[in-house]
Amino acid sequence: QVQLVQSGAEVKKPGASVKVSCKASGYTFTRYYMHWVRQAPGQGLEWMGWINPNSGATHYAQKFQGRVTMTRDTSLSTAYMELSSLRSDDTAVFYCARDRPPSRGFGESYYFDYWGQGNLVTVSS
Amino acid sequence: AIQLTQSPSSLSASVGDRVTITCRASQGIGSDLVWYQQKPGRAPNLLIYDASSLESGVPSRFSGSGSGTDFTLAITSLQPEDFATYYCQQFNSYPLAFGGGTKVEIK
Repeated sequence: QVQLVQSGAEVKKPGASVKVSCKASGYTFTRYYMHWVRQAPGQGLEWMGWINPNSGATHYAQKFQGRVTMTRDTSLSTAYMELSSLRSDDTAVFYCARDRPPSRGFGESYYFDYWGQGNLVTVSS
Repeated sequence: AIQLTQSPSSLSASVGDRVTITCRASQGIGSDLVWYQQKPGRAPNLLIYDASSLESGVPSRFSGSGSGTDFTLAITSLQPEDFATYYCQQFNSYPLAFGGGTKVEIK
């Protein structure tokens, strides 16, 4: 069965960086884009970007451009999201989420069928 | 950027009730909309894709409708496990965006 298992909670100081991992199993890792979505405490969902695990190509939401880097290690079936220059308002649960296999049989869906369990990243001095 | 406005932001309902949640897009998005359910401390779960298609494994009491700018999620005969927060998400254009959420609480 498909599983996305994320690394553990992190506490960081303002200005630092955090790198979160997402290990995929139960499917061919390189076949589907991986997205990252964050959720501040008690707030809604915010899409950050995607990585194509096959090519390594990425697309980031403009809000995070210059601060986020998404990478992958195909040998480990693991995707990574690094966010730099952390601020207190970056405190959130970060999720990886798999792009759903397209209903039309080709291309990408840009919505999500499997999610990791989430990583709480707390930014505090 | 396309903005999604959900209403209401919260509602109280009883087991067995029919519930409807709306999602309005700031510009037309065709049928490029999905719905998720999220329970406290859990990741979201995909319910409806392409505005009206039921995701595999999701109970048939959930349904979606709409196109263009106005969309609806309906839950017929609300069950105890349906008390959760519901989000719409558009995938018509970047940035992908979610609505603000609708919390369905027990009356």
